[in-house]
Amino acid sequence: DTEVTQTPKHLVMGMTNKKSLKCEQHMGHRAMYWYKQKAKKPPELMFVYSYEKLSINESVPSRFSPECPNSSLLNLHLHALQPEDSALYLCASSQDGLQTFQETQYFGPGTRLLVL
Amino acid sequence: DAKTTQPNSMESNEEEPVHLPCNHSTISGTDYIHWYRQLPSQGPEYVIHGLTSNVNNRMASLAIAEDRKSSTLILHRATLRDAAVYYCILRDVGQGAQKLVFGQGTRLTINP
Repeated sequence: DTEVTQTPKHLVMGMTNKKSLKCEQHMGHRAMYWYKQKAKKPPELMFVYSYEKLSINESVPSRFSPECPNSSLLNLHLHALQPEDSALYLCASSQDGLQTFQETQYFGPGTRLLVL
Repeated sequence: DAKTTQPNSMESNEEEPVHLPCNHSTISGTDYIHWYRQLPSQGPEYVIHGLTSNVNNRMASLAIAEDRKSSTLILHRATLRDAAVYYCILRDVGQGAQKLVFGQGTRLTINP
């Protein structure tokens, strides 16, 4: 099973709402990633977790709060977002994030977020 | 970080070979060349990677120039399902190796 699942598929939220995106993988991977992709643009890395510890935060605003409760799950908590945060949010996983020059990242289908 | 340059778009016909070029003139000796593609309404998927030698797998072939300043992804017999954005990415063994930095990619259109 090389599947990364993401829920929900679509999300509409107001600027005062709090919501969470969920990502799950059962490949035994120990590295997980969040990317943001605006329309017609390439994905941009937001966060990297390796062995359930945050290893990279690409200077993402604090209204995005990642959480890795265990090695299979990755959440992205959203609070007080702006309309410009509307995008496709992609989750990915890889073996352990240690030999990343060779590691394949497996991506989920993404959550399409619209902030009103 | 070493950068890659790809054509914005390419077009080919079904059942014909496709050669997708990538220039990376500032590549370092430890940079691996990775290719991912993103089909419409899906997340990116891994295609192939290599360091110096040409590589083949069930999806594609990767031809790497002798000076490593360019590479070509080869789809031997394109199908409609190969229509996607193809990204050429350099990955270093050093610091920041966890980052997968996507460039603008090449949008490949396959005509029936």
